[in-house]
Amino acid sequence: DGGITQSPKYLFRKEGQNVTLSCEQNLNHDAMYWYRQDPGQGLRLIYYSQIVNDFQKGDIAEGYSVSREKKESFPLTVTSAQKNPTAFYLCASSIVSGGPHEQFFGPGTRLTVL
Amino acid sequence: GESVGLHLPTLSVQEGDNSIINCAYSNSASDYFIWYKQESGKGPQFIIDIRSNMDKRQGQRVTVLLNKTVKHLSLQIAATQPGDSAVYFCAENLPGNQFYFGTGTSLTVIP
Repeated sequence: DGGITQSPKYLFRKEGQNVTLSCEQNLNHDAMYWYRQDPGQGLRLIYYSQIVNDFQKGDIAEGYSVSREKKESFPLTVTSAQKNPTAFYLCASSIVSGGPHEQFFGPGTRLTVL
Repeated sequence: GESVGLHLPTLSVQEGDNSIINCAYSNSASDYFIWYKQESGKGPQFIIDIRSNMDKRQGQRVTVLLNKTVKHLSLQIAATQPGDSAVYFCAENLPGNQFYFGTGTSLTVIP
């Protein structure tokens, strides 16, 4: 099946720890995105990448880091510098060429800081 | 960032009735819009999209209307079913392929 997978589904972190959220896609999409979702708010863009080995900060990049070493993978690290990391994290991917296209989302990872 | 707002945070409809969910956007340069459905604890699912050179697009039981004059977008769901209960997001695309998402409307279908 083609699609986007995220793991783990639930993640618990102690304060001061870094954690990495996995996102993999087999849709052959060039662009990948990370969003954060909090109750009562729209999705907020953390980082995005339109090509391998390149990525840009979104609106709320502070306290997060990413890498894009492979086209199909875009892991997100939530560092200890992120003051309020408890949230639902969504990864998405899309085609880039030929104008704007829909973004396909993964199932999400719910991160809870203990 | 640009704001994408929804007029109503919650909507309840009887099963079989039509549902209309509204969205206001603020940037006249937005050229592409998407409606997503999100069930509790899951990722958003694409429903339908529309480009700015159109004012209406129909899918299976869903219709999206775009009014560029007043920067308004709506999603119409015909013969609403219990499985349609979810949160619906409007998203607008700006040049550069970034999307901005609204806060969502929670649709509840009453059997």
